[in-house]
Amino acid sequence: EPEVTQTPSHQVTQMGQEVILRCVPISNHLYFYWYRQILGQKVEFLVSFYNNEISEKSEIFDDQFSVERPDGSNFTLKIRSTKLEDSAMYFCASGTLADTQYFGPGTRLTVL
Amino acid sequence: AQSVTQLDSHVSVSEGTPVLLRCNYSSSYSPSLFWYVQHPNKGLQLLLKYTSAATLVKGINGFEAEFKKSETSFHLTKPSAHMSDAAEYFCVVSAPSGGSYIPTFGRGTSLIVHP
Repeated sequence: EPEVTQTPSHQVTQMGQEVILRCVPISNHLYFYWYRQILGQKVEFLVSFYNNEISEKSEIFDDQFSVERPDGSNFTLKIRSTKLEDSAMYFCASGTLADTQYFGPGTRLTVL
Repeated sequence: AQSVTQLDSHVSVSEGTPVLLRCNYSSSYSPSLFWYVQHPNKGLQLLLKYTSAATLVKGINGFEAEFKKSETSFHLTKPSAHMSDAAEYFCVVSAPSGGSYIPTFGRGTSLIVHP
């Protein structure tokens, strides 16, 4: 059964560094999403992406964040200058319908 | 605006006994509702979803949920718990917003299954 995959599973970075989190959505899906889950807190929506552009973004998704679908298979989340509070589990999701999402296993980002 | 309340942070059951995980929601629109399960160090797996068809929704692994509009509830049940059901469960409400669906997650309920 096809799955969403994410790499790396764990990323450790220094504060102020740029990180790129990578996702490979399920191949026939059209909608793509990023979420984050800070330890002990709710899963929070960051951004949705459809037809090669951002369709919705939350207040969390400020100018430090960007998303890209560079080659038709990967979907990336870039954080330009990481802060301590960016430490979280980041989940990618994809779907064929706007309201149903299939999640990847997540990337744990630790900012030191 | 939409919100989700998972009424229990932890539910503890014995193997073979019924499971009830409670979820209440609010939404300005007719929402889609979901339950996801997260096993340790794994991603979120879709258990089931409700999208205005039958109010009793059957999902994977013997789980089902009933949409009750009058009570704004979408509780998750299973007749007989297995050890492998021990995990974190998330109720999610999703309603349209400018052509997209922005989901709101509950805080999660940790299901503990005792032998």
